[in-house]
Amino acid sequence: GDSVTQMEGPVTLSEEAFLTINCTYTATGYPSLFWYVQYPGEGLQLLLKATKADDKGSNKGFEATYRKETTSFHLEKGSVQVSDSAVYFCALSAPETSGSRLTFGEGTQLTVNP
Amino acid sequence: DAGVIQSPRHEVTEMGQEVTLRCKPISGHDYLFWYRQTMMRGLELLIYFNNNVPIDDSGMPEDRFSAKMPNASFSTLKIQPSEPRDSAVYFCASSSGTGAETQYFGPGTRLLVL
Repeated sequence: GDSVTQMEGPVTLSEEAFLTINCTYTATGYPSLFWYVQYPGEGLQLLLKATKADDKGSNKGFEATYRKETTSFHLEKGSVQVSDSAVYFCALSAPETSGSRLTFGEGTQLTVNP
Repeated sequence: DAGVIQSPRHEVTEMGQEVTLRCKPISGHDYLFWYRQTMMRGLELLIYFNNNVPIDDSGMPEDRFSAKMPNASFSTLKIQPSEPRDSAVYFCASSSGTGAETQYFGPGTRLLVL
């Protein structure tokens, strides 16, 4: 079945450091890929998405490129801020095999220190 | 739009009691999802509806859990009787479609069963 694997956390960085959170997936067909972010005490919210191979999603300085050849969708940011501290979830949607559900990774806790 | 609305935000109850969680999706969204989040199991999809009809309830843990959507603007998730292992954060989400469509999450209900 469909699955998403994220790098294990937690991740702790200093402000202005470079961030990479790895995400790989397994799916048949052509899934859409997402990054959701969850701030403390809140629900998940969409950070960015990509719907086909080689697409780059971007938002708030974060970027991720849909790499079909490596089945990856790694999240990057060039300079993190304290306000980026949150849990980040990689997810995929593959209607051909999983209907309308999103398949989520385990989540990666990011803490950014001043 | 106010976004997805959930109530109550916090619920503390004793084992054996009935618990009802409520959700109002974003107006015009055809899909409604119920998730459960725990440290041990992460984010789990319990059930989802399309046009008020339950489509996939394979994630509902057992018969103690039930969900309804009597109309397009309201859904409930009921646990009867509740058990301590049901303690979790329960999220409702809605979307206007599947595939590449974004799911919009509510703020969640934090349930503690003593």
